[in-house]
Amino acid sequence: GESVGLHLPTLSVQEGDNSIINCAYSNSASDYFIWYKQESGKGPQFIIDIRSNMDKRQGQRVTVLLNKTVKHLSLQIAATQPGDSAVYFCAERLTGGGNKLTFGTGTQLKVEL
Amino acid sequence: DTGVSQDPRHKITKRGQNVTFRCDPISEHNRLYWYRQTLGQGPEFLTYFQNEAQLEKSRLLSDRFSAERPKGSFSTLEIQRTEQGDSAMYLCASSLREGRQETQYFGPGTRLLVL
Repeated sequence: GESVGLHLPTLSVQEGDNSIINCAYSNSASDYFIWYKQESGKGPQFIIDIRSNMDKRQGQRVTVLLNKTVKHLSLQIAATQPGDSAVYFCAERLTGGGNKLTFGTGTQLKVEL
Repeated sequence: DTGVSQDPRHKITKRGQNVTFRCDPISEHNRLYWYRQTLGQGPEFLTYFQNEAQLEKSRLLSDRFSAERPKGSFSTLEIQRTEQGDSAMYLCASSLREGRQETQYFGPGTRLLVL
């Protein structure tokens, strides 16, 4: 399954399928990007990050892709599991903008059994 | 547990009262951040410290808000004369400044409800 970020805030996938969560970031001067997972009532949990001099980075079951030309970031989750159900946020850090993160609105991922 | 901790986890107060939240960062982390999150939105930056110095404050941080990190370890966020619009989740994060790739780790948050 695939989301289009702000225009489709909920993504439903079947257990075992791959998920793709998209994010359009706002500032071409951003140099660092992070994906966080947030479960209900909890703080955001770090998943994976990527610097602007890279276009792909892989972790365990997750891959982040960065397309600076169109200011687009995506998170791919392989073999989605029920425990992956949460809201996923992308965040960007502006070069020379201190160290604060600017977060997107988020995408709700629902994994159906 | 060696993660970021926050206290209290929940706070209900009446409009006009003052509230104070505490954040204990990961022990070796020299940077500490406060964010605010309202329902259905991503966290919004409020302020951050490097050691005990407050280096940046958002325009969201009105004069009713004050944050301190007196010994460069834990931090407090105080809201004076609370308003209903202050109801939100207040998140604390910490990081270790080590090169340019600096991951912020979040605590569980303090959920504030102003009646």
